[in-house]
Amino acid sequence: EAGVTQFPSHSVIEKGQTVTLRCDPISGHDNLYWYRRVMGKEIKFLLHFVKESKQDESGMPNNRFLAERTGGTYSTLKVQPAELEDSGVYFCASSQGPARSFFGPGTRLTVL
Amino acid sequence: TQLLEQSPQFLSIQEGENLTVYCNSSSVFSSLQWYRQEPGEGPVLLVTVVTGGEVKKLKRLTFQFGDARKDSSLHITAAQPGDTGLYLCADRGSTLGRLYFGRGTQLTVWP
Repeated sequence: EAGVTQFPSHSVIEKGQTVTLRCDPISGHDNLYWYRRVMGKEIKFLLHFVKESKQDESGMPNNRFLAERTGGTYSTLKVQPAELEDSGVYFCASSQGPARSFFGPGTRLTVL
Repeated sequence: TQLLEQSPQFLSIQEGENLTVYCNSSSVFSSLQWYRQEPGEGPVLLVTVVTGGEVKKLKRLTFQFGDARKDSSLHITAAQPGDTGLYLCADRGSTLGRLYFGRGTQLTVWP
């Protein structure tokens, strides 16, 4: 069974540009989560999808971040325009129920 | 906002030594999970503890949950280089599925 995949693995962009991160969850997992780890800090929750609906987006930093999950399969997280403080590792996780989440390898975003 | 404190932040030991890392919370855990993360990968779940006083063993790893459910420890016996990684504790919190993480303990085991 394939795990959670994320694309790209690394992205280097300049301040003001747009970046879109993609997450493909484990097939059949209705729950999809986005997290972010900024250097030196803990992994922090961004938002939670149940199928295509946003269950909880209280962790989204500001309106420069837009997450979508059309059709309830893969999800994208767009940052527009990117700022220096958006640099970090973005993790996606998926789960069937609440007990166990499976994490992807992350996308390392560097904003110059 | 729940705060999870992990200690030590870094730990470097020789193969064969024993070690313990800690996770403490400012509030009662809903359920506590321990993860290990290796470079270039996401966190991988090791164990979930729910009941105060609970002890779980996973080969050479022993996980303890405090009676008051506000602290936990991970003890590794006879550490091996393959144990090297970032050990994270996380609380599932009151919101379904959402995790609150500590900053982790970076463990390095030298051959």
